[in-house]
Amino acid sequence: DAGVIQSPRHEVTEMGQEVTLRCKPISGHNSLFWYRQTMMRGLELLIYFNNNVPIDDSGMPEDRFSAKMPNASFSTLKIQPSEPRDSAVYFCASQREGWNEQFFGPGTRLTVL
Amino acid sequence: AQSVTQLGSHVSVSEGALVLLRCNYSSSVPPYLFWYVQYPNQGLQLLLKYTTGATLVKGINGFEAEFKKSETSFHLTKPSAHMSDAAEYFCAVSDPPGNTPLVFGKGTRLSVIA
Repeated sequence: DAGVIQSPRHEVTEMGQEVTLRCKPISGHNSLFWYRQTMMRGLELLIYFNNNVPIDDSGMPEDRFSAKMPNASFSTLKIQPSEPRDSAVYFCASQREGWNEQFFGPGTRLTVL
Repeated sequence: AQSVTQLGSHVSVSEGALVLLRCNYSSSVPPYLFWYVQYPNQGLQLLLKYTTGATLVKGINGFEAEFKKSETSFHLTKPSAHMSDAAEYFCAVSDPPGNTPLVFGKGTRLSVIA
């Protein structure tokens, strides 16, 4: 298996632009998690899905952030409009039901100028 | 709410020396506990985990950790550090256990000196 796939790996954009991050979980995994990593706050959960249904989005910073999981093999995290404080590394992770391990993608490094 | 505390944001050891990275958690019930490693510009890789059973768990690359309920700790150790162990290490808790989000500590950067 190719593991969790994230795209793009790097994104540089200007303030006010829309940004879309993509994630393909490992086949057969039914839970998907979006985390954000910053120097100040460390690793924190943004949102997670079970069986394509959002379960907890309390970590989403504000309405500028939205996430979808239209099917079991694809999820997006969108920021509109982006701001410099959104600059961070965004990780997607997936987990199979009953398995006690989350598998992480390589992350997307977002820079908002 | 559960939380994870990693004592020491940066630990430096000599090659061949003992590695000890500290992790304490707060949880109302015994959670599942994890150690992940992150190499520069990479994602997180699972080193080891505690779910149930034996409290001393062994992981990859010679690392091990012991779950001590009375101390709410899950410290990571390795008898002899290698240069390739230099990385960022994260302790995490899953509470309630299962397909639930991880709560991470702030991380400890390990440097290995030749």
